[in-house]
Amino acid sequence: GAVVSQHPSRVICKSGTSVKIECRSLDFQATTMFWYRQFPKQSLMLMATSNEGSKATYEQGVEKDKFLINHASLTLSTLTVTSAHPEDSSFYICSAPAGVNEQFFGPGTRLTVL
Amino acid sequence: GENVEQHPSTLSVQEGDSAVIKCTYSDSASNYFPWYKQELGKGPQLIIDIRSNVGEKKDQRIAVTLNKTAKHFSLHITETQPEDSAVYFCAASWGGKLQFGAGTQVVVTP
Repeated sequence: GAVVSQHPSRVICKSGTSVKIECRSLDFQATTMFWYRQFPKQSLMLMATSNEGSKATYEQGVEKDKFLINHASLTLSTLTVTSAHPEDSSFYICSAPAGVNEQFFGPGTRLTVL
Repeated sequence: GENVEQHPSTLSVQEGDSAVIKCTYSDSASNYFPWYKQELGKGPQLIIDIRSNVGEKKDQRIAVTLNKTAKHFSLHITETQPEDSAVYFCAASWGGKLQFGAGTQVVVTP
């Protein structure tokens, strides 16, 4: 299947700082990418859809000013958690569609806010 | 929007036995149903999928069935092995987005 990478895999930051997470499609182009958040022992919750060349669309209840998304190219989307707080600590995962319907996920980024 | 329910939440099986996970969905417009396996600390891995125009699909020890009328689909794992231990998620796709079930923790004991 198609390969999606994320960087960093783990990040620890202080409360009030910003953190950027990168999502790359390695062997295919993606005009759309998806960002999910997953809390321990819970399912994946879609946060937003990243669109190359246009603004991201956010799911209901997700603060767009807090979670900034930039789809810089056909292979790169970034998620920036601004003014992070301990409650933002979570596992953030991106995915990219390849083929007709298939979505392939990155390995995830564990964010810990102290 | 779509709502996906998944059962059971945990499933313990002896090595060699079969495991079955069931999901139901609410939106009849959903047309794609993937299953993902997630190991601890890793991203979900697509293991099998089925489209709405197909009733059953099999890939070695894994099979998925879909009943569009009843709006439910199931994952079947035969001859389970310890490496099958993981969390499994079903999902339904509508408009390109995936709605996930709550997940099933599968534990295969030797």
